[in-house]
Amino acid sequence: QQQVKQSPQSLIVQKGGISIINCAYENTAFDYFPWYQQFPGKGPALLIAIRPDVSEKKEGRFTISFNKSAKQFSLHIMDSQPGDSATYFCAARTGQGAQKLVFGQGTRLTINP
Amino acid sequence: NAGVMQNPRHLVRRRGQEARLRCSPMKGHSHVYWYRQLPEEGLKFMVYLQKENIIDESGMPKERFSAEFPKEGPSILRIQQVVRGDSAAYFCASSPIQGEYAFFGQGTRLTVV
Repeated sequence: QQQVKQSPQSLIVQKGGISIINCAYENTAFDYFPWYQQFPGKGPALLIAIRPDVSEKKEGRFTISFNKSAKQFSLHIMDSQPGDSATYFCAARTGQGAQKLVFGQGTRLTINP
Repeated sequence: NAGVMQNPRHLVRRRGQEARLRCSPMKGHSHVYWYRQLPEEGLKFMVYLQKENIIDESGMPKERFSAEFPKEGPSILRIQQVVRGDSAAYFCASSPIQGEYAFFGQGTRLTVV
């Protein structure tokens, strides 16, 4: 019940296309859903995050769509660029105030020029 | 304001040796989290500490692993009698108060030979 399932494992998108990564969870106690971007040899960096009372959040080219009833959320990267090539992780946090995060398995995104 | 500093960045240990990983949180941050990332996997929560206190160690292996965050100095993750399966990237994150977004360090990549 503490798992967050992420798909696909890898994704190749042409420059200018839309990249879509999906996550699903079971634990309804999760109250915060961040997405992290990780480049090789670096630590994860927060990209965008959403709370379950909101169905969509957009920041620049990045959008989170959240479906509370289906317990699913997804990251959309519009106008994907080669610089977006990285590994993306979805995560979830329980409503206990601390940053104890449950991470998905990661999606390796490659944007072809 | 420097980010979360982890050292060493790379650490090679022979089986049976001890590994000590250090994490200096961001200035003003009193909450530290350790995560482990196995190759091709997401990050797994290990332990959450505040100054001089272990708040949640539910993700720590029962044996050989310990963590501390003293009143002065960095947080230390200690792995005794390392085995090959301990080879992974270990990430530290820090946050200023409970519930705030945590910033990740660049990680320590431990290789056990």
